[in-house]
Amino acid sequence: SQQGEEDPQALSIQEGENATMNCSYKTSINNLQWYRQNSGRGLVHLILIRSNEREKHSGRLRVTLDTSKKSSSLLITASRAADTASYFCATDVGSNYKLTFGKGTLLTVNP
Amino acid sequence: DVKVTQSSRYLVKRTGEKVFLECVQDMDHENMFWYRQDPGLGLRLIYFSYDVKMKEKGDIPEGYSVSREKKERFSLILESASTNQTSMYLCASSPGQGVLNEQFFGPGTRLTVL
Repeated sequence: SQQGEEDPQALSIQEGENATMNCSYKTSINNLQWYRQNSGRGLVHLILIRSNEREKHSGRLRVTLDTSKKSSSLLITASRAADTASYFCATDVGSNYKLTFGKGTLLTVNP
Repeated sequence: DVKVTQSSRYLVKRTGEKVFLECVQDMDHENMFWYRQDPGLGLRLIYFSYDVKMKEKGDIPEGYSVSREKKERFSLILESASTNQTSMYLCASSPGQGVLNEQFFGPGTRLTVL
């Protein structure tokens, strides 16, 4: 069964706006990761947040983690057309090498 | 930079053919993975390997096998391709246990089985 579920499934915004995507999961985790996939390509790692962290920043990305609600959010500020992609959350539940991916959020940033 | 390469970007095969998908990584990673990605289903793990000659089944191993004879190379084999194996196949690698397990992905192989 799917460990992580992203919400919404699709999001369309204008350039310059902020985009927020959410991920909910079912079991306790060691860490949660976010990946980006441009159309027809492989996934690229964006950011990792450990279970004992609540917030993390990387450039225009901000990730939060609420372990009590088993949820995470990815915020992209001042979006650009080049941010158009699918975004996936992935959870590490303790195997140290296996991740479980959600189905992704398709973000479209209109110029 | 870590590089994960896959042998083909696009592949067209016929039903019943034996298909080999090759993946090579250049960062001495212990772990390697094969996923398939289908619309509405996300990424599903087929097989993974945490050491040379070691393999474990993922969530959907039926119809597939794997081979890891060398650390840098992980092959996915479709013994007798079927149309329901038409999909995007993604290979990934990550460092060994005890370290943060960010995965590095190849560009993907889009396989069509006719």
